[in-house]
Order: sequence, then C-alpha cells, then structure tokens
Amino acid sequence: EVQLVESGGGLVQPGGSLRLSCAASGFTFTIYWMGWVRQAPGKGLEWVANIKQDGSDKYYVDSVAGRFTISRDNAENSLYLQLNSLRAEDTAVYYCARWSYCSTTSCAIDYWGQGTLVTVSS
Amino acid sequence: QSALTQPPSASGSPGQSVTISCTGTSSDVGGYNYVSWYQQHPGKAPKLMIYEVTKRPSGVPDRFSGSKSGNTASLTVSGLQAEDEADYYCSSLAASKIYVFGSGTKVTVL
Repeated sequence: EVQLVESGGGLVQPGGSLRLSCAASGFTFTIYWMGWVRQAPGKGLEWVANIKQDGSDKYYVDSVAGRFTISRDNAENSLYLQLNSLRAEDTAVYYCARWSYCSTTSCAIDYWGQGTLVTVSS
Repeated sequence: QSALTQPPSASGSPGQSVTISCTGTSSDVGGYNYVSWYQQHPGKAPKLMIYEVTKRPSGVPDRFSGSKSGNTASLTVSGLQAEDEADYYCSSLAASKIYVFGSGTKVTVL
C-alpha cells in the first residue's frame, strides 16, 4: 500500500524557518517525480515545488522560489521541503505528492499525504 | 502563474448531471493536451479523478468524464450521487514542469 506521511509542521514566527519531511513507503520511490502542494485555510490548492527522480531538477512556484528548497533522499525514501524567510501568507496545509500517469509533457498526482499544517504568526 | 478559472459553485439533484469548467490560456490549458481533475472532501486530501483530459484512474466511476476545447477544460459528473458533493479542482501544466491549479468549484447535491 502506497503511503506518504508528512511531518514537521507547526507554529513559526514570520522570518523563521521550518523543515517538512515526507516518509514514503509501499512503492519504488526512486522512479517517481515527487512534489509539494499547499492549501491555505479555506482556500484552494496551490502547487509549490517538484523534484525529479534523481534530484537533479527542481521547480518552484514563483512565490516561494529563493525561499523554499525541495530535496529528496532516495536511500531513505524521503522527501523534504525547507521553508525559509516564512511569511504569514505561507500559512497552509502542506501535502506531499507523488506524480504519475505521465505523458511526454505532464503528469498528475495519484497519491497525496494527509498533510501537515504550517502556521506563520507572531 | 495565475490560477485557472473555475465557477465557485455548481449544483444538481441526485441522478442529474453537472459540468464544471476550467478556463485558462494558450500558455496552460490550451497549450498542452493534459488536464487533470481532483475531488476533495472536507478535511481530506484530494483524490485524482481524471488525468490527460479524459482518462480515469482505476476505481474512479465512469460517471466522471473530462473534455477540453481550446483554453477550456470541463469535468462532467453524470448520475449525481450524494457522495459526489465535494470541492473539485482542475490542474494544468503552465510551463515546463510548472503546474497550476484551478480556483476550485464546490459541487452541491441538492
């Protein structure tokens, strides 16, 4: 059974940092693009970042580029998101996501974690 | 990377059909033959319902169907059931490996 389990969320002050983790199990982690999607309270989904199977390519939404860093440890079947210079507008549930059903140009998220809440407030 | 435009709400009676639109531009929806749709119940993680415009993952009822014309994609739910009441989001590629979601549509089963 595919499982994605996030951890690391919590309350942090503006300007602070946090590191989110996602433990993956039940599938061959090394053959999938992975990523993060967030959802602010009462709002819609927002794609945050993706990382290639070997970690060599990383992509970010403009609003987090330069502040967030996505990474993965294939030996540990783990995905990470380092959040720096946090702002109030980064407050959201952060979902770990597995990308699959890929065509030559695009993929879809076939598995989601349960999410971890990040609250940025003083 | 602006969100794709969806109607805030849609509704239908049990057994009826409801169609949700997802409007983008030639740089996203219109530029790629790949749109996906997700269903999200309150307090739950989203679930993939449609990928590559028209394809359904295993286990998704064939009451759910997708289409696309130009810069607008659509999700149709036929034979509405109570459990279909949820929020629905479309998603498209916006540039190489950059994705964008729709603004979301709340479907109510009357």
